[in-house]
Amino acid sequence: DVKVTQSSRYLVKRTGEKVFLECVQDMDHENMFWYRQDPGLGLRLIYFSYDVKMKEKGDIPEGYSVSREKKERFSLILESASTNQTSMYLCASSHSGLAGDTDIQYFGAGTRLSVL
Amino acid sequence: QQPVQSPQAVILREGEDAVINCSSSKALYSVHWYRQKHGEAPVFLMILLKGGEQKGHEKISASFNEKKQQSSLYLTASQLSYSGTYFCGTQWGDSSASKIIFGSGTRLSIRP
Repeated sequence: DVKVTQSSRYLVKRTGEKVFLECVQDMDHENMFWYRQDPGLGLRLIYFSYDVKMKEKGDIPEGYSVSREKKERFSLILESASTNQTSMYLCASSHSGLAGDTDIQYFGAGTRLSVL
Repeated sequence: QQPVQSPQAVILREGEDAVINCSSSKALYSVHWYRQKHGEAPVFLMILLKGGEQKGHEKISASFNEKKQQSSLYLTASQLSYSGTYFCGTQWGDSSASKIIFGSGTRLSIRP
């Protein structure tokens, strides 16, 4: 089974702190994604990566950055956390290739971040 | 750019049927359906590709109308285990670009 592991289930930080959310997948997937999930807004894409050291902005990248130094690990960074970044953060990974069973995204359990 | 899902929420009694719709403003390459149970990660249900056929999974099936740029998820004879939030995710254009844009979700509650 594909496993996507997020380092923390719950996190409480203060405004202005630098926050790192870590995600590791064990299926050698090329693609990795960070989403935030808010009530009524669904899953909104923050950043994604097709390969090591590559990153692309999603729909809501403002206030976030990412790092992918190794294929299995994708980090989301909040340079200076703000209260409006309080949310559930979900990491996902998928395999590249011809459509079919590729592009299926496997999600981690999520990190609920509270910024006070 | 998000696909539009309807309804936003639905309450059913066990054994009843439901339809969840997903509409896009852009030409679709594929539609994905995921289910998220409370407190858990979203889980893949099925993918429908441009030019493909209707898919099925247990008593859950889906259709993809390319002309109307929409997909529908059909839940037949619903079971308590079907409760959760259903998300459609869309890919656009003529080829897969791996990025999926998800809708805001449809919350499904099944009562005994």
